[in-house]
Amino acid sequence: SQQGEEDPQALSIQEGENATMNCSYKTSINNLQWYRQNSGRGLVHLILIRSNEREKHSGRLRVTLDTSKKSSSLLITASRAADTASYFCATADTGGFKTIFGAGTRLFVKA
Amino acid sequence: DTAVSQTPKYLVTQMGNDKSIKCEQNLGHDTMYWYKQDSKKFLKIMFSYNNKELIINETVPNRFSPKSPDKAHLNLHINSLELGDSAVYFCASSPLAGGRETQYFGPGTRLLVL
Repeated sequence: SQQGEEDPQALSIQEGENATMNCSYKTSINNLQWYRQNSGRGLVHLILIRSNEREKHSGRLRVTLDTSKKSSSLLITASRAADTASYFCATADTGGFKTIFGAGTRLFVKA
Repeated sequence: DTAVSQTPKYLVTQMGNDKSIKCEQNLGHDTMYWYKQDSKKFLKIMFSYNNKELIINETVPNRFSPKSPDKAHLNLHINSLELGDSAVYFCASSPLAGGRETQYFGPGTRLLVL
């Protein structure tokens, strides 16, 4: 089964609002990554958080990691229409060999 | 300067045909991947090569055959195409092998089998 699963599956907000997406995973991890995919494009890496980190920031992005709950969240503050995209979390499998992607959260930011 | 490029971008073909998708990366990475993204956006790894050697080979029909002539190129050949092969195929690369590495994706090849 999938390692990472995002929640919600879809999210629609107004420009300027914050967007929060969650990811749950099943096994121990070394790190967790978030990617963005714009419609018709490939995935773009956003941020990586290591298992010994609890929070990480990058511009308007804030990622948290709770290894005890096996979950992570991605917060986009002051969203813009250009943030409209699908967001995926990714972890390595137990062997650390393969990257497993979740099904993604589709974010729609209305101008 | 495109880091990971794929050709073609779109591919429409008939069932039973054989087709190839090409991928090139100019990042100097050692590892390259092929992923399949279905209509529900679920992304699943198919193959991975590290320095021209196959290191990941998921449960993929043997109609799919990857080939890496050098570490900057990873091509995907598909024989006897079936309707279920319709999907978006993404190539990606990373500096090193391993699921913990950040990956850089190509723009995708949209395959439609009629």
